[in-house]
Amino acid sequence: DGGITQSPKYLFRKEGQNVTLSCEQNLNHDAMYWYRQDPGQGLRLIYYSQIVNDFQKGDIAEGYSVSREKKESFPLTVTSAQKNPTAFYLCASSIGGAKPQHFGDGTRLSIL
Amino acid sequence: GENVEQHPSTLSVQEGDSAVIKCTYSDSASNYFPWYKQELGKRPQLIIDIRSNVGEKKDQRIAVTLNKTAKHFSLHITETQPEDSAVYFCAAIGNYGQNFVFGPGTRLSVLP
Repeated sequence: DGGITQSPKYLFRKEGQNVTLSCEQNLNHDAMYWYRQDPGQGLRLIYYSQIVNDFQKGDIAEGYSVSREKKESFPLTVTSAQKNPTAFYLCASSIGGAKPQHFGDGTRLSIL
Repeated sequence: GENVEQHPSTLSVQEGDSAVIKCTYSDSASNYFPWYKQELGKRPQLIIDIRSNVGEKKDQRIAVTLNKTAKHFSLHITETQPEDSAVYFCAAIGNYGQNFVFGPGTRLSVLP
């Protein structure tokens, strides 16, 4: 059953702590994306990757980091430099270019 | 870069009535326009999309129209049902086709 898996579903971060959100896809998609969604708001692009070992900053990359060592995996690290990390984080993938993006179920991150 | 505006931000209709959501975009080079539906706490799901070489596309009760000259596209939902209640996002392909730019969303409520 193909799809995108995000884990964990809920995550809590302590002050000064880095946390990593997992995103795995078995759709054989080249492109992967990370979005942040705040309550009642739209989707803002954090980082995206068109190919393995390459990624670009989106509109709100400060305080976040990513890696793309494997085609199927695109983990997002929320660093301690991100002062307001509480949000719903969505991972997506696509074949690339002008093609539909498919989303995971999201991770809800809160501060302890 | 691309900028996408979406109106209205909230929309309430009676069950059985039609709903129309309009988006405008800024980059005349954008050529792909998807619409996503997001239910509360869930992942966004693609409901319909249109490419710039087509003026209109229909799928049962849902249709999308595109006016390239005016740079706007609209989602039309006919015979609305309570299960149509959700947040709807439009998007345009931007940044030389590398990533989507999403509108801020429209919260549709279908009243029984």
